[in-house]
Amino acid sequence: SSELTQDPAVSVALGQTVRITCQGDSLRTYYASWYQQKPGQAPVLVIYDKNNRPSGIPDRFSGSSSGDTASLTITGAQAEDEADYYCNSRDSSGNHLVFGGGTKLTVL
Amino acid sequence: QVQLVQSGAEVKKPGASVKVSCKTSGYTFTGYYMHWVRQAPGQGLEWMGWINPESGGTNYAQKFQDRVTMTRDTSISTAYMEVTRLRSDDTAVYYCARDLELRFLGGWFDPWGQGTLVTVSS
Repeated sequence: SSELTQDPAVSVALGQTVRITCQGDSLRTYYASWYQQKPGQAPVLVIYDKNNRPSGIPDRFSGSSSGDTASLTITGAQAEDEADYYCNSRDSSGNHLVFGGGTKLTVL
Repeated sequence: QVQLVQSGAEVKKPGASVKVSCKTSGYTFTGYYMHWVRQAPGQGLEWMGWINPESGGTNYAQKFQDRVTMTRDTSISTAYMEVTRLRSDDTAVYYCARDLELRFLGGWFDPWGQGTLVTVSS
């Protein structure tokens, strides 16, 4: 079992805003990073550290954190955002890394 | 540009070992930690561990402590990950992924290799 918990599936209407959450005790201490994975492809980093986007990632992706919950927000979801999203952070010991179980995002 | 190119697909029998390579280019190999992540068919991502290519130091996830070895060859800018005593539930795509931060363990992975499918079947 993962120390980071995500909802298995979330849906959003095209052009609307969606929030994907990740819950875990370690998130009180460490920031989460977020990865997008489309079928048959390697994951891609979309948010890291407090709220940083690698070059090439659209600014409709943003991250936030409160207490034991980290969130990835997509403002104005596009069809190409349909994918699996994984959060990642340190575990409760701080020595290892761990992924959440993933959230399948459907854009309607 | 930064590239991570992994070795090809493997089919192994239970009990055998497999060694996956990750050849890098476009950056200073010894400056960035390298992580390994696996994904079983239809399942989520699982962090396996990291190697510091400069020192050779490693840190493995608890469940892989006794079966996984990560190494590197700095002369050819290549990282390796070996899994021994393979089981059917080791069937997965194995990814190498470079840490984003220079000379620091940020714990953020960018970029990723293309993945190597390892199939364990009798």
